[in-house]
Amino acid sequence: DAGVTQSPTHLIKTRGQQVTLRCSPKSGHDTVSWYQQALGQGPQFIFQYYEEEERQRGNFPDRFSGHQFPNYSSELNVNALLLGDSALYLCASSFRLGYTFGSGTRLTVV
Amino acid sequence: EDKVVQSPLSLVVHEGDTVTLNCSYEVTNFRSLLWYKQEKKAPTFLFMLTSSGIEKKSGRLSSILDKKELFSILNITATQTGDSAIYLCAVEGRYGGSQGNLIFGKGTKLSVKP
Repeated sequence: DAGVTQSPTHLIKTRGQQVTLRCSPKSGHDTVSWYQQALGQGPQFIFQYYEEEERQRGNFPDRFSGHQFPNYSSELNVNALLLGDSALYLCASSFRLGYTFGSGTRLTVV
Repeated sequence: EDKVVQSPLSLVVHEGDTVTLNCSYEVTNFRSLLWYKQEKKAPTFLFMLTSSGIEKKSGRLSSILDKKELFSILNITATQTGDSAIYLCAVEGRYGGSQGNLIFGKGTKLSVKP
């Protein structure tokens, strides 16, 4: 049974560019949440998707957007990248109780 | 504003020692408290706590929640070098009748020396 799968594992982008990160949830999970983890910090909640809609959102600017597909997979898009967007981006999937995390995408903005 | 505070932020012990990690929280609409272990990237689940005073155990690890005093502790006995990791505490809020998001502390970095 596959867990949460994220791609790519690493990514280097230039300031001002746009990036798309992908997440496939654990089998049987219908809810996908995205978190940003800066170095030395705990993960910060970006947003949560359920039934293809954004259900909750954390304190992140509109440059951060997402999508959930009918098969429950999800994308995180970040526009106009800033140096401060460099972080580990974690996807977590769930079904009513508990969260399972993927291994994350390490994004470096130069 | 909801917050989760972990202490200490870092800890160095020797193999065989017992450690206690602390987590206090101020979160409206509390649903559960979770502990994760993060070694490289993916946080891996350790415990979910929803009721006060009920200790959960898994091998050398145990955890308990106090919903009156708003804190939880994670104990690790007879530590091993493989316990070296960042331990994250997270509180899940409620969103209507559904799952809320997780609010994380900064984590405790545990280093176990041979």
